[in-house]
Amino acid sequence: GAVVSQHPSRVICKSGTSVKIECRSLDFQATTMFWYRQFPKQSLMLMATSNEGSKATYEQGVEKDKFLINHASLTLSTLTVTSAHPEDSSFYICSARSWGTRGADTQYFGPGTRLTVL
Amino acid sequence: DAKTTQPPSMDCAEGRAANLPCNHSTISGNEYVYWYRQIHSQGPQYIIHGLKNNETNEMASLIITEDRKSSTLILPHATLRDTAVYYCIVRVPFYLKLSFGAGTTVTVRA
Repeated sequence: GAVVSQHPSRVICKSGTSVKIECRSLDFQATTMFWYRQFPKQSLMLMATSNEGSKATYEQGVEKDKFLINHASLTLSTLTVTSAHPEDSSFYICSARSWGTRGADTQYFGPGTRLTVL
Repeated sequence: DAKTTQPPSMDCAEGRAANLPCNHSTISGNEYVYWYRQIHSQGPQYIIHGLKNNETNEMASLIITEDRKSSTLILPHATLRDTAVYYCIVRVPFYLKLSFGAGTTVTVRA
């Protein structure tokens, strides 16, 4: 299957600082990438949809000025958490859409980034 | 997207087949059934998808009933590494959102 990487896998930062997370599709091009957040013992929640060369679309309740998304190429999307606070501590996961098989697209997920804000 | 219903948890024995049910009685004609799994502290892993025919790949088999109101994911020979939360999702392809419910927590026991 297709491979998606994320970097860093784990980050600890002080409150008020900004953190950038990279998501790369390694063996395919992805016009569309997605960013999810997962709190402990909860399911994944979609934060935003990122399209190459255009502005991201954010889900209701997600602050676009706090979670900056850039999708500058067909293999790279970045999520920047600005002025991070302890409540932003979470597991952030990206995915990239591939055209897939049998008439359906498939999303492949990265390994996730564990963010801890002190 | 159609709602899915999965049992919250199930156990299975190592080396045996694991049969994971999913009910999607309100599925529409153009919605596919997707299965993903999430091993603890990792990102979800794509397993398989199908529309109406049974599908098989190197990881699993997907059996969809003729009326498409339910499906079963079969892991033919479960190993301890298959312990994970398994998500059954139905969606129209290329419709952007992939909505994750609570899934089934599968525990494979030695």
